[in-house]
Amino acid sequence: AQSVTQLGSHVSVSEGALVLLRCNYSSSVPPYLFWYVQYPNQGLQLLLKYTSAATLVKGINGFEAEFKKSETSFHLTKPSAHMSDAAEYFCAVSKSNTGKLIFGQGTTLQVKP
Amino acid sequence: NAGVTQTPKFQVLKTGQSMTLQCAQDMNHNSMYWYRQDPGMGLRLIYYSASEGTTDKGEVPNGYNVSRLNKREFSLRLESAAPSQTSVYFCASSGGGTSGGAGETQYFGPGTRLLVL
Repeated sequence: AQSVTQLGSHVSVSEGALVLLRCNYSSSVPPYLFWYVQYPNQGLQLLLKYTSAATLVKGINGFEAEFKKSETSFHLTKPSAHMSDAAEYFCAVSKSNTGKLIFGQGTTLQVKP
Repeated sequence: NAGVTQTPKFQVLKTGQSMTLQCAQDMNHNSMYWYRQDPGMGLRLIYYSASEGTTDKGEVPNGYNVSRLNKREFSLRLESAAPSQTSVYFCASSGGGTSGGAGETQYFGPGTRLLVL
């Protein structure tokens, strides 16, 4: 059965610092993996997704994530945090080759001036 | 395009009352989903509809029913609301084309905040 674990419910960085949000997954089949972002009082929007093409996936707003099968990880990074990046971030995996998603618990990113 | 729309935005119910949350999408998507979001638990799938005329249970279906009215609309009904159903509810849709929809981007509505007293 698929599952997703996000390490750290809250991450705080200074503006301009590296952002690293961790996600580990378990899947019995080659996974499809996603990162979504949720700004306050809004719905979720897709940042990026891995669908078995390139292992380094680039998304919107300067974010990228690397699929590492040996580590069962799909960590999200951004070289330089901006105040506007403050939001909640969710990692998700497609369940058993269906459209259904299993979400991690979410990580709230705080960006300090 | 409006994308995915949800009504109402906010609702307060008393225990035992019923209500229907409405969702519509204008992207001609086949698949639609209902999730609930609770603090520290991410989003959990309540029900989904792979295509018009079909619905199936997700992780947490108890206390809910759904109707896929047509290709555009997918409603969620609480027959007898309980305080445990206090949550934020999100509707989403995806193309639902090849491979059963695996790997497809889901597009989310703005959510409905429900408080059950």
